[in-house]
Amino acid sequence: QKEVEQNSGPLSVPEGAIASLNCTYSDRGSQSFFWYRQYSGKSPELIMFIYSNGDKEDGRFTAQLNKASQYVSLLIRDSQPSDSATYLCAVQDTGRRALTFGSGTRLQVQP
Amino acid sequence: DTAVSQTPKYLVTQMGNDKSIKCEQNLGHDTMYWYKQDSKKFLKIMFSYNNKELIINETVPNRFSPKSPDKAHLNLHINSLELGDSAVYFCASSPPNIGTPTSYGYTFGSGTRLTVV
Repeated sequence: QKEVEQNSGPLSVPEGAIASLNCTYSDRGSQSFFWYRQYSGKSPELIMFIYSNGDKEDGRFTAQLNKASQYVSLLIRDSQPSDSATYLCAVQDTGRRALTFGSGTRLQVQP
Repeated sequence: DTAVSQTPKYLVTQMGNDKSIKCEQNLGHDTMYWYKQDSKKFLKIMFSYNNKELIINETVPNRFSPKSPDKAHLNLHINSLELGDSAVYFCASSPPNIGTPTSYGYTFGSGTRLTVV
């Protein structure tokens, strides 16, 4: 059973701080990794995707991938109250298009 | 102009009824999915169609039957609804290049909140 694990949180950070969200996955052959943000009552929306080891930056967001450790993370710099949401890590299954999702980490940014 | 649209947004029904949820995408994607999100926010894949062909059929009760009349539409029919079917059902679509450096992953519909009473 392929698994994607996330700490459910809530992760609470003050406004302006760096929020660090972590995810581990079990399928060593996984190639592509995605971070989605989901506000309460809304659908998930894609924030970042990464497929190479290392860092990928997009504005205030940085995704980090370490395939040897089977670990993906998302850093949010200068966190804002509007970043408060559940962040879902998703991993593309080896050999098929489907994404396996973690159960999400709830982030709370305190004003 | 909605990219992936689902109807209805809310569905309240009694146990034992049969209901359908419809999904349409205008993004030109070739693959569509149904996911179920339970009360703990866990998104679990149910089905996937690629160009009208069923390619993923997870362990789902056979009361659930997907249908894809064309690659832009994927519907979900549920027979004999049970209390445990209450959840949010998301439709999603993806382009052919998912998993490649130019991929943008899935686009989700707005979800259908199903409540079985």
